[in-house]
Amino acid sequence: KAGVTQTPRYLIKTRGQQVTLSCSPISGHRSVSWYQQTPGQGLQFLFEYFSETQRNKGNFPGRFSGRQFSNSRSEMNVSTLELGDSALYLCASSLTAGVSYNEQFFGPGTRLTVL
Amino acid sequence: ILNVEQSPQSLHVQEGDSTNFTCSFPSSNFYALHWYRWETAKSPEALFVMTLNGDEKKKGRISATLNTKEGYSYLYIKGSQPEDSATYLCASPTDKLIFGTGTRLQVFP
Repeated sequence: KAGVTQTPRYLIKTRGQQVTLSCSPISGHRSVSWYQQTPGQGLQFLFEYFSETQRNKGNFPGRFSGRQFSNSRSEMNVSTLELGDSALYLCASSLTAGVSYNEQFFGPGTRLTVL
Repeated sequence: ILNVEQSPQSLHVQEGDSTNFTCSFPSSNFYALHWYRWETAKSPEALFVMTLNGDEKKKGRISATLNTKEGYSYLYIKGSQPEDSATYLCASPTDKLIFGTGTRLQVFP
């Protein structure tokens, strides 16, 4: 069974630009969650999508948005990039909705550098 | 605000040593406790998802216990091996997973 895939793996952008990251979950998984990893803050929850609907959102500004398609693939968008957005962005999938009880299967991440 | 804390931050042990780490979380409104292992250049991998007070789970040489009343979980590694070197993360969710900052374990041959 193929794992969670994320594209691109590495990305370099400049301040003010926008970026879109993509995540394909494990086949059959309908929930996709996004996380931001920075050295100072650790892994922080961004949002969770299930059946094309955002179920939960973490404490991030509105510049961070996402969506999920009918095939469960998800995209995350960050607009008006800031230097502090430089981070590793991980997505994770699980079979059903709700990150509380469900084991999360993580992708390899997208390393975003904002110059 | 939900705070999940892990200790120690880092640990260096010799091959064959047994070791343990702690994860502390607020005990009110408890849902579950997750443990993940994150090896360098790899993705975090789930070890355990624990939900019941007194729960004990085991996977090979790694085991975990859970005390929801006092708000802590222990992760034990018996006979550490170099391949156990990784960052071990715990997470306690409400409606979203809140991760601790992890314990970085290095096992020297």
